[in-house]
Amino acid sequence: EEQLVESGGGLVQPGGSLRLSCAVSGFTLNNFWMTWVRQAPGKGLEWVANINQDGSGKYYVDSVKGRFTISRDNAKNSLDLQMNSLRAEDTAVYYCARERLRNIGYYLDCWGQGTMVTVSS
Amino acid sequence: EIVLTQSPGTLSLSPGDRATLSCRASQNVNSNYLAWYQQKPGQAPRLLIYAASSRATGIPDRFSGSGSGTDFTLTISRLEPEDFAVYYCQQYDSSRWTFGQGTKVEIK
Repeated sequence: EEQLVESGGGLVQPGGSLRLSCAVSGFTLNNFWMTWVRQAPGKGLEWVANINQDGSGKYYVDSVKGRFTISRDNAKNSLDLQMNSLRAEDTAVYYCARERLRNIGYYLDCWGQGTMVTVSS
Repeated sequence: EIVLTQSPGTLSLSPGDRATLSCRASQNVNSNYLAWYQQKPGQAPRLLIYAASSRATGIPDRFSGSGSGTDFTLTISRLEPEDFAVYYCQQYDSSRWTFGQGTKVEIK
């Protein structure tokens, strides 16, 4: 079974740091781009960052550039999101997801259950 | 950056009704890169439709997608009790993803 399991969420003070991890099983990680998506309480989905198969290409939403870093370890089947200088507006459930490119279509076809990050003093 | 605007914000319907959800883009979207997701409370999003009109694996045929350019539609032909949820459209462009703000389909 293809599965993504996030961990590392919690309560952190403004200005603090947190590292999220996504453990992958049931498929070969190095075949796929991977993405982080977040959802603030009661709000919609927001794409945060993604990374290509070998980690050489990384993209970020403007609001996290310079503060968040996405990385991956294909040998360990894991994806990470290092979050620094956290702000109250970063409070959200963070999901990792697999990007799937087919002959037609590009979409996010496998999602984890999410990990909650709360930034508050 | 392409902005996706979904309407209406909330759709109040009864089981058995037809639901029509709209997603409008601020500029042309490659139809291959337009998808729809369903999300229920406390759950991760689930892929429904990809490439604007192709149903994902296991998705019932009461769900259909259409559209091109800047206007896309998700239709649920006859609402089942399990279809009451929030629906998001999403597009991919220049290595980045954007989502619409969502449409909530609630029981009338």
